[in-house]
Amino acid sequence: EDQVTQSPEALRLQEGESSSLNCSYTVSGLRGLFWYRQDPGKGPEFLFTLYSAGEEKEKERLKATLTKKESFLHITAPKPEDSATYLCAVNGGSQGNLIFGKGTKLSVKP
Amino acid sequence: ETGVTQSPTHLIKTRGQQVTLRCSSQSGHNTVSWYQQALGQGPQFIFQYYREEENGRGNFPPRFSGLQFPNYSSELNVNALELDDSALYLCASSSSGRLPDTQYFGPGTRLTVL
Repeated sequence: EDQVTQSPEALRLQEGESSSLNCSYTVSGLRGLFWYRQDPGKGPEFLFTLYSAGEEKEKERLKATLTKKESFLHITAPKPEDSATYLCAVNGGSQGNLIFGKGTKLSVKP
Repeated sequence: ETGVTQSPTHLIKTRGQQVTLRCSSQSGHNTVSWYQQALGQGPQFIFQYYREEENGRGNFPPRFSGLQFPNYSSELNVNALELDDSALYLCASSSSGRLPDTQYFGPGTRLTVL
């Protein structure tokens, strides 16, 4: 069964304290891995798409990487406005749906 | 470019009632997917529509049904509401029925079933 596991469930950082979020997945034939940011009560906001192992993408303080078994979202020198839940999703089945993890809730304190 | 929009924003219903949620896809997108997100959980796939046809369905009962219109907007209908249907309902649009196009989400509809 296709599955996505994110860790940690929650992460508290001080402003400027860099860290990484993990997304491990089991899927039959990965077609794409997606990272989203979600603020409370709002819809997920697209961040990155990764298609193959070794691929990396960057946007401001965020960098996403992909291996054959997991993806990391690296946050460099985070600011309080980076506080949100970060969702990882994979697309790997015959249907066009995304399979999501439960997310990592990030809090950045000034 | 107009993003994905959903209506209504919030909705309160009682058990046994029926509800219709609406979604307008992003300009240029012809595929709409619906997800249910319970509190503290990741979104769960309900179904997807591509060019007005159902293009995949998750593990949801038949009382969850949908439509896609010629302008690619979509409706999600839920009959015989149950307390567990209380959730954030998300609509996402993408540019084609081919995989793996990025899905862009709307703001969601918060449904509360009493």
